[in-house]
Amino acid sequence: GQQVMQIPQYQHVQEGEDFTTYCNSSTTLSNIQWYKQRPGGHPVFLIQLVKSGEVKKQKRLTFQFGEAKKNSSLHITATQTTDVGTYFCAGPLFSQGTNDYKLSFGAGTTVTVRA
Amino acid sequence: DSGVTQTPKHLITATGQRVTLRCSPRSGDLSVYWYQQSLDQGLQFLIQYYNGEERAKGNILERFSAQQFPDLHSELNLSSLELGDSALYFCASSLGRLASTDTQYFGPGTRLTVL
Repeated sequence: GQQVMQIPQYQHVQEGEDFTTYCNSSTTLSNIQWYKQRPGGHPVFLIQLVKSGEVKKQKRLTFQFGEAKKNSSLHITATQTTDVGTYFCAGPLFSQGTNDYKLSFGAGTTVTVRA
Repeated sequence: DSGVTQTPKHLITATGQRVTLRCSPRSGDLSVYWYQQSLDQGLQFLIQYYNGEERAKGNILERFSAQQFPDLHSELNLSSLELGDSALYFCASSLGRLASTDTQYFGPGTRLTVL
């Protein structure tokens, strides 16, 4: 069935290094959203990408939506301890049971940082 | 602080029991979403209400039910509880009815432990 997949599941990063997490969908998405959940916290909206090939930056975070609108990536440069947490991508997938769209979350990439 | 409130913060109960989780959306938001987050299943969409009416359903068990009241707060009822129902339950809210494009604001969650 339709789903949104994320890799890697875990990312252990040395402070100061860069890393990228990837999100892939089995179907074309109208948009993709990214959320961050700190340990013990709740998901917090980061950004939404809508256009094919769109790139958006938030300080050290760079978000990209693929040309085919089936994949996305989040790249973090110069990782800091404040980047610790789980990053989720989420895309709207059609639910035949309800004949409507629901936001389907990827399994998340959990990031730990070595000082 | 997202503006979404959830009570209680923690809930410990026994198998076979029934519990009610409560959520108050952000001021002005008409949609309420319920999610279940467990270690092995990630963030699973359960159900969405918009302005008092059920809008979309996800993988919600028949033992679970929800409703949204005229003041827009929502309750999630879990009955005949099983050990596997132990999880974090998040409520989220959004302004409109479109789960596919609206930004969702998550509450702090209710941690349910079934013994």
